[in-house]
Formats: sequence, structure tokens, C-alpha cells
Amino acid sequence: EAGVVQSPRYKIIEKKQPVAFWCNPISGHNTLYWYRQNLGQGPELLIRYENEEAVDDSQLPKDRFSAERLKGVDSTLKIQPAELGDSAVYLCASSLGTQGDGYTFGSGTRLTVV
Amino acid sequence: RKEVEQDPGPFNVPEGATVAFNCTYSNSASQSFFWYRQDCRKEPKLLMSVYSSGNEDGRFTAQLNRASQYISLLIRDSKLSDSATYLCVVIPGFQKLVFGTGTRLLVSP
Repeated sequence: EAGVVQSPRYKIIEKKQPVAFWCNPISGHNTLYWYRQNLGQGPELLIRYENEEAVDDSQLPKDRFSAERLKGVDSTLKIQPAELGDSAVYLCASSLGTQGDGYTFGSGTRLTVV
Repeated sequence: RKEVEQDPGPFNVPEGATVAFNCTYSNSASQSFFWYRQDCRKEPKLLMSVYSSGNEDGRFTAQLNRASQYISLLIRDSKLSDSATYLCVVIPGFQKLVFGTGTRLLVSP
């Protein structure tokens, strides 16, 4: 069974440019998460979806970040415009429920803003 | 105060040593606790859940102390392959995982 698939693996962009990340969760997982991990830190939740609905986006910087999960499967996370401080690894995870032992993370997208 | 706090380390230990990490959490209503392992430039992966009665998986033992609001991870007979960052994870009742900053372990020959 394929795990959580993210693309691209790496992205380098200039500041003020837009960027988008894509995530395909494990089949049947109704809960999808986007996390951001800065160097030397643990992952921090940006947004959580239950099917198509964003049920927790309190940590998403809404002035420049947006996300969608059409049809409750794939999800995209967008930043527009990107800032230098957005350089981080963006991790997507999915689960059947909301317990931590059922989480599976994708390999992440490493974003560098120059 | 951070929701989950860990000593970032690094902990440098020789092969065969026993090493322990602690993690404290601030929300006394937290119900679920986990240790995740993250290798360099890789995604976090579940190492083990932490149960109230404590639990063991091979060389790894996890314990929960609700009164003092901390969890621990003990690794016996350390292997070179144990070198990684160990992330303490708590579900504080908000249906989301809250990660600590991680504790880096380096096992040397």
C-alpha cells in the first residue's frame, strides 16, 4: 500500500513568489493534516481536515496561506506571496481518526525561500 | 510555557549504554501520549505509544507520570542505528498532535 505521497520533495523560490504543495493521503484516511517543521523544531500543525472540511485552521497564517481538499482526498497548500521566514519542511499526514498512533506522514516538501 | 517541552540535547552515548529522555506537558487533561522517531531529513515515524501503566517494546520502555505531567523514554543497550531525534507527542484533547522540539541522540562506536 502506498503511503502518504507529497510533491515536490524540494522547492526553491524567490521571495514574493507563489508556491504550492500537493499531498495524496493513504486511501480511506478521512483526516488530513498539514504541518510545518522549522529547523531544530518539532512539527507544528497548520490545518486539519475531516474529509473536505477544515476543522482546525487556527494556526494557518491566512493572509498568505491557503489550503484546500477537494472531494476529501488530495490536498494542496499554497503560499502567496512567500517570505524568507516560510523556509521550512511542510509535512502532510493522514489518519483514519485523530489518535496519534494512526498517523502516517509523507516525506515532506523542503521549501527554501531566497 | 510551551505545551510540550523536551531537552533538545544532543545526548552523546557509547554503544551499549542506557539513555533516558524526559518530556513534560502542560495540559493536565491530555489523554494520549506517544514517542515518534525522526531520522535526519526524514519524516517522523511512530516509535511507541505511552500507556498509563508503562509499556515496553524490546529495548525501549516508555512511562507516563500523570501527577508530575511527564513522560519518559528509556533505551537500553543503545545501537548505532538508534541515532535520531526522538519527538515527544501529546494529544491535549483538541484532537491534534502537539510535538515537542525533539531530543537528539547520537550513539557512537
